Parts: sequence; C-alpha cells; structure tokens
Amino acid sequence: DAGVTQSPTHLIKTRGQQVTLRCSPKSGHDTVSWYQQALGQGPQFIFQYYEEEERQRGNFPDRFSGHQFPNYSSELNVNALLLGDSALYLCASSRTGPSSYNSPLHFGNGTRLTVT
Amino acid sequence: SQKIEQNSEALNIQEGKTATLTCNYTNYSPAYLQWYRQDPGRGPVFLLLIRENEKEKRKERLKVTFDTTLKQSLFHITASQPADSATYLCALDASGTYKYIFGTGTRLKVLA
Repeated sequence: DAGVTQSPTHLIKTRGQQVTLRCSPKSGHDTVSWYQQALGQGPQFIFQYYEEEERQRGNFPDRFSGHQFPNYSSELNVNALLLGDSALYLCASSRTGPSSYNSPLHFGNGTRLTVT
Repeated sequence: SQKIEQNSEALNIQEGKTATLTCNYTNYSPAYLQWYRQDPGRGPVFLLLIRENEKEKRKERLKVTFDTTLKQSLFHITASQPADSATYLCALDASGTYKYIFGTGTRLKVLA
C-alpha cells in the first residue's frame, strides 16, 4: 500500500519563476494538506483541499495556490518566487470524518525547493 | 496570540533513560493533540493521538499526557535507544477548523 508520494524531490528555481509541486495521497485518504517547513522550524500550514475545494487556508499570500483532482491527488503552485520561499514543502493526506475530525496526517518526504 | 511552544534546545539523554518532551500551547482549545517523529530529510511520522477527555495514552515505550488545564502535553520515551534520536513535533487541531498546527519541534539525541 503506497503511502504519500511527492514529486519532484528537489527543485532549484530562480526568483520570479513559478513552480508546481505534486502529491498523491495515501490510498483511502480524501483530504490533502500542504505545509511549508523552513530549516529548524516546524511545518507551517499553507492550505487544505477536500472534495476538490480549498477548505482551509493558513497565513500565506495568494501567490500560493493549489488544486485537488477527482482522484484526490493535489498540486501546489507558487508564483513569483521569492528567496524566502526556499523550504521543504510537505504534503500530508488524511481522511475527513464527522465533526471536523481529521484522521492523523500521513506525510510524504517533501519537495526541497531552493530559490536562487 | 496563539502559540505552540516546544523546547527548541536539543535534549541529550543517556541510553536506557526516560526522555520527557514538553508541548505548551496558548489561546487554543484543541480537541486532539498529536505527536510526530521527524528524521532529517524526511516527512513527519505520526506516533500518538490523545483526545481532550483522555489524561494519558500509551503505545509500547511511548506515553503521552494531556492536561487541558495547564495547556500542556508531555511525551515520554522509556528505555530510550539511540534509534529514538530524531526531532519530535507536537500538533493540535485549531478548534473549529480542519487544520493541524505544529510546534517547532524538539531534537532528541540518545547517547549510547
């Protein structure tokens, strides 16, 4: 049973460029969350997708956008890259249950983005 | 403001001893609190979840406590081993939302 897979594993971009990161959730999971993790910090919540809609958003600018497909896979897009966007981008999948309960998160190993 | 605080300093402990990690939070009312383990260059791995109406949860050598009055969770690893060396993250649900918020993590090093 495949867990969460992310691609690519590493990426180097130049300031001002745009990037798309991809995520396939664990089998049986319908919810995808994206996190940004700077070195030495905890993961910061970017947004969450459920039923192909952005359900929740963290404190990130509109340059960060996403999409969820009917097969529950997801993309994270970042436009107009800044040096400060360099980080590990983590995708996590879960199952949405009743009363806003989400099952624990299953993470991929992330995409390391370097902006030069 | 809302905060989740973990000891940012690394914790060094001798093999066989009990490691205790702390997670404090302010201005949250979580229904659940979770602990994850993260190894360098890898994504976090879920370890334990404890609900607000549970005082303690155990899984093998791991124990988690949750005190909603103190707004604190303690994470214990008994009979620690060098393989337990990693960064441990606590996470809680931001009540009324579907998102989990993470602390900064505590790096644990178990010395042989």
